[in-house]
Amino acid sequence: GQNIDQPTEMTATEGAIVQINCTYQTSGFNGLFWYQQHAGEAPTFLSYNVLDGLEEKGRFSSFLSRSKGYSYLLLKELQMKDSASYLCAPLDSNYQLIWGAGTKLIIKP
Amino acid sequence: DTAVSQTPKYLVTQMGNDKSIKCEQNLGHDTMYWYKQDSKKFLKIMFSYNNKELIINETVPNRFSPKSPDKAHLNLHINSLELGDSAVYFCASSQGDLIWAFFGQGTRLTVV
Repeated sequence: GQNIDQPTEMTATEGAIVQINCTYQTSGFNGLFWYQQHAGEAPTFLSYNVLDGLEEKGRFSSFLSRSKGYSYLLLKELQMKDSASYLCAPLDSNYQLIWGAGTKLIIKP
Repeated sequence: DTAVSQTPKYLVTQMGNDKSIKCEQNLGHDTMYWYKQDSKKFLKIMFSYNNKELIINETVPNRFSPKSPDKAHLNLHINSLELGDSAVYFCASSQGDLIWAFFGQGTRLTVV
């Protein structure tokens, strides 16, 4: 079967660093996306990893280990506006996005 | 200029009614999708469609049907609405090998 596992909720402090983990099992694999979704809004694209390793983009970085079925999203210098849900979504062999339920990130002052 | 637009943003209707949600993309993408996000925030794909092939998630009731008048539009028609159909429905599009999906703003459907 196909399965995505992320923590349901995390809390962090403004200015700090937080790592959101994702483990996945899919029928085939063609890369993994991270999306950000604010309450009541559509998901917006953050990152795409298809090779093992770390991809850095400003305050956000994403890591992938294909052999372990594992990815994480690292957020640095947290801002209040980073409070949102973060969705891990691998692509299966049919290039379909398989969505997890997301991690709700709460930022406190 | 909105890349993927859905209308309406909110829809409240009674059980048993038939309703449609419209989706338009101005990105020139060749593939469009409909997703349902349930109360637990799971995004589940319902349909993907490019002008060659319609792929239907087998778990979607046949009361739901996508209609594509042209490449830029993929509307979602729902017959005999049920309480369990209440959810947020997202339209999305992507282009061939570019597998980034651009999402619309969502339509919150409430069936009463």
